[in-house]
Amino acid sequence: EMQLVESGGGLVQPGGSLRLSCGVSGFTLSSYWMSWVRQAPGKGLEWVANIKQDGSEKYYVDSVKGRFTISRDNAKSSLYLQMNSLRAEDTAIYYCARADCISTSCLFDYWGQGILVTVSS
Amino acid sequence: DIQLTQSPSFLSASVGDRVTITCRASEDIDSYLVWYQQKPGKAPKLLIYAASTLQSGVPSRFSGSGSGTEFTLTISSLQPEDFATYSCQQLNSYPITFGQGTRLEIK
Repeated sequence: EMQLVESGGGLVQPGGSLRLSCGVSGFTLSSYWMSWVRQAPGKGLEWVANIKQDGSEKYYVDSVKGRFTISRDNAKSSLYLQMNSLRAEDTAIYYCARADCISTSCLFDYWGQGILVTVSS
Repeated sequence: DIQLTQSPSFLSASVGDRVTITCRASEDIDSYLVWYQQKPGKAPKLLIYAASTLQSGVPSRFSGSGSGTEFTLTISSLQPEDFATYSCQQLNSYPITFGQGTRLEIK
């Protein structure tokens, strides 16, 4: 059974940092692009970042460039999102998702249950 | 960035109704569009990819159509488990973008 389980969320002050993790099972992580997608309270979905199978290519939405870093450890079946200089507008549920990509065209076929990140003083 | 606009944003319907949700792209995205279903407190679920191909396991009452800039998701006969929020997503180019969502509620 395919499973993606996020951890590391919580309450952080503006300007602070947080590292999200996503442990996967039921498929071989090294065979897939992976992504983070977020959803602010009561809002729509927003793609955050993608990373290629070997980590050699990474893409980010403009609003997080320079502040967030996506990474992976295929040996540990884990995906990460390092979030620095957090802002109130980063408050959201963060989903880890498996990406099915052809070139740079990616859809998200399996998702974790999500983890809440709250940025507030 | 490619903007996706869904209409309506909110839809009230009854079990057995046929409903259609529209997703309009700000530029031509060919058939690089997918649809997701999301229930409260749950992760999105992939329903349709390549604008009109049903994901494995999705009931045949769901269908998608369109290409270019206008797309539709149709549910032919609403079932109680279909009341949820539906979102479109374009995968034509970065940044990947989603529509704002259409909330489908029971009348």
